[in-house]
Amino acid sequence: DVKVTQSSRYLVKRTGEKVFLECVQDMDHENMFWYRQDPGLGLRLIYFSYDVKMKEKGDIPEGYSVSREKKERFSLILESASTNQTSMYLCASSVTSGRERYEQYFGPGTRLTVT
Amino acid sequence: EDQVTQSPEALRLQEGESSSLNCSYTVSGLRGLFWYRQDPGKGPEFLFTLYSAGEEKEKERLKATLTKKESFLHITAPKPEDSATYLCAVQAGSNYKLTFGKGTLLTVNP
Repeated sequence: DVKVTQSSRYLVKRTGEKVFLECVQDMDHENMFWYRQDPGLGLRLIYFSYDVKMKEKGDIPEGYSVSREKKERFSLILESASTNQTSMYLCASSVTSGRERYEQYFGPGTRLTVT
Repeated sequence: EDQVTQSPEALRLQEGESSSLNCSYTVSGLRGLFWYRQDPGKGPEFLFTLYSAGEEKEKERLKATLTKKESFLHITAPKPEDSATYLCAVQAGSNYKLTFGKGTLLTVNP
């Protein structure tokens, strides 16, 4: 079974702090994704990575950056947290080839509150 | 721009009362349609992938079908443990991005 883990289930940070959210997958997947989920807005893609050190902007990258130094690990960084970044953050991974290549598997999520 | 619309937004059923959830989509070059289940406060759990019109997949009380414009998730004789938000997503084009609908919140009362 694919396992995607996220470093924290709940996180509370202050405005202006630098925040790191980490995601690790154990299935050797090439692709990794960061989403945020808000009521009424659904899941929105922040960034994704299709290889180590490679990244592409999603639909809402402003205020975020990412890092992928190892294949299994994908980090989301909030350079200076703001209250409008309070949200549920979800990490996902998928393979590049084969019939299952678009199936994304999600972690449990991190509920971030910025005060 | 790819669009995914799910209906209804919320559905309340009695245990054993079968029904269907709808996911309509507008994409150019569908490569896959995906159904997920999400419990409160948790990440989405993968259920099915459908690749082409006419395809059907089943898992326990759930059956997903696909046409050229929409997909249905049929729930037969649901139980309270089927209560969750069901998400639909599509993949089109050459990258790996999924476009998600906003989900249907299903509540099954005992």
